[in-house]
Amino acid sequence: DTAVSQTPKYLVTQMGNDKSIKCEQNLGHDTMYWYKQDSKKFLKIMFSYNNKELIINETVPNRFSPKSPDKAHLNLHINSLELGDSAVYFCASSQASGYLPKAEQYFGPGTRLTVT
Amino acid sequence: GENVEQHPSTLSVQEGDSAVIKCTYSDSASNYFPWYKQELGKRPQLIIDIRSNVGEKKDQRIAVTLNKTAKHFSLHITETQPEDSAVYFCAASQRALTFGSGTRLQVQP
Repeated sequence: DTAVSQTPKYLVTQMGNDKSIKCEQNLGHDTMYWYKQDSKKFLKIMFSYNNKELIINETVPNRFSPKSPDKAHLNLHINSLELGDSAVYFCASSQASGYLPKAEQYFGPGTRLTVT
Repeated sequence: GENVEQHPSTLSVQEGDSAVIKCTYSDSASNYFPWYKQELGKRPQLIIDIRSNVGEKKDQRIAVTLNKTAKHFSLHITETQPEDSAVYFCAASQRALTFGSGTRLQVQP
């Protein structure tokens, strides 16, 4: 009964491949996020969805495409993977009110992506 | 956009001492300031948060202070224990969380 789950936990792939990471939350939250944590541990927001609607799209290459089939899921698809995409990707969710997050963000366990 | 600066980047204290981590933010519209603890290989977990209408909040050995005028907030851990060793992140939020660069806290037994 994990609150926020991600699959896979580890992903090793070659440059140029396309891969997806899946995220699911069972907390009934209406907002979900993707964060990237690089090798220096910087945590940076990539995307945010509120009720399946994209509300935040930071300066992320368009090789990254989030998809939210419903409120409980937010998947991340990455095309033409590059070496610099290697990082840990965290999904998170919260109960927000419109654009203003008003409560704790719960993070998933992370997916460590290694591009060789 | 929001910019959050966090200091120090590393902090080593003796068990039982206090630890203080400081953050500044740039966007005066930010209204929510959480602190996350991340142990090695684990997910960030919220340890305490404060909203812009409050100046201080305590939870056992942990306290956070917020100075809206100066746009800075701090985390205070008293009576540190070895299990407090981790990376701590501050964040500021108006639309989304903008994280500081993290502080690696090492508590020496």
